[in-house]
Amino acid sequence: GAVVSQHPSRVICKSGTSVKIECRSLDFQATTMFWYRQFPKQSLMLMATSNEGSKATYEQGVEKDKFLINHASLTLSTLTVTSAHPEDSSFYICSARRVSTDTQYFGPGTRLTVL
Amino acid sequence: EDKVVQSPLSLVVHEGDTVTLNCSYEVTNFRSLLWYKQEKKAPTFLFMLTSSGIEKKSGRLSSILDKKELFSILNITATQTGDSAVYLCAVVPYNNNDMRFGAGTRLTVKP
Repeated sequence: GAVVSQHPSRVICKSGTSVKIECRSLDFQATTMFWYRQFPKQSLMLMATSNEGSKATYEQGVEKDKFLINHASLTLSTLTVTSAHPEDSSFYICSARRVSTDTQYFGPGTRLTVL
Repeated sequence: EDKVVQSPLSLVVHEGDTVTLNCSYEVTNFRSLLWYKQEKKAPTFLFMLTSSGIEKKSGRLSSILDKKELFSILNITATQTGDSAVYLCAVVPYNNNDMRFGAGTRLTVKP
């Protein structure tokens, strides 16, 4: 058990467009989901914590109007990169925390390339 | 400020060698420490440690936590080329939802 899916796995878009990434916990409920960003050969940087039914908590330096997060249900969180620019190109990974445990299970990641 | 420091940052060994990866931390209200393995895509869970001195094992991998000295080690015995990956250590504090990751140790196992 504990499978997390992410869609799409890869997206290439033009500068100025918006991109939505979905993160789903397939076989468990997750009241909390996390969005990370990873640059090449670097560790994961937490962007925001998403709680079901409430507003996301953003890390310092992450623009909430640019990275819109919605946690609509116990199994789905979405990240929308609005008006994407080339500097937003990165590997975005979500994770879901199983209720009443500390273990986070990661999705396979989404590679975003903005031209 | 919470800190998680992993060492070494990179390591190259030959198949059959044993390696020890280190993770030290400074976290307010520590709750647990987790180890992940990251190959080409997202990290996969290895171990979660909450108590000092209790070794967790899975095949050739084992890990232990020392809450007094604020560190953990991940051991891999009889390494194989498939062990090549980045190994990430993360800590979870109380009253907080998120994990703080170390920079990772990039392990390369040569045939």
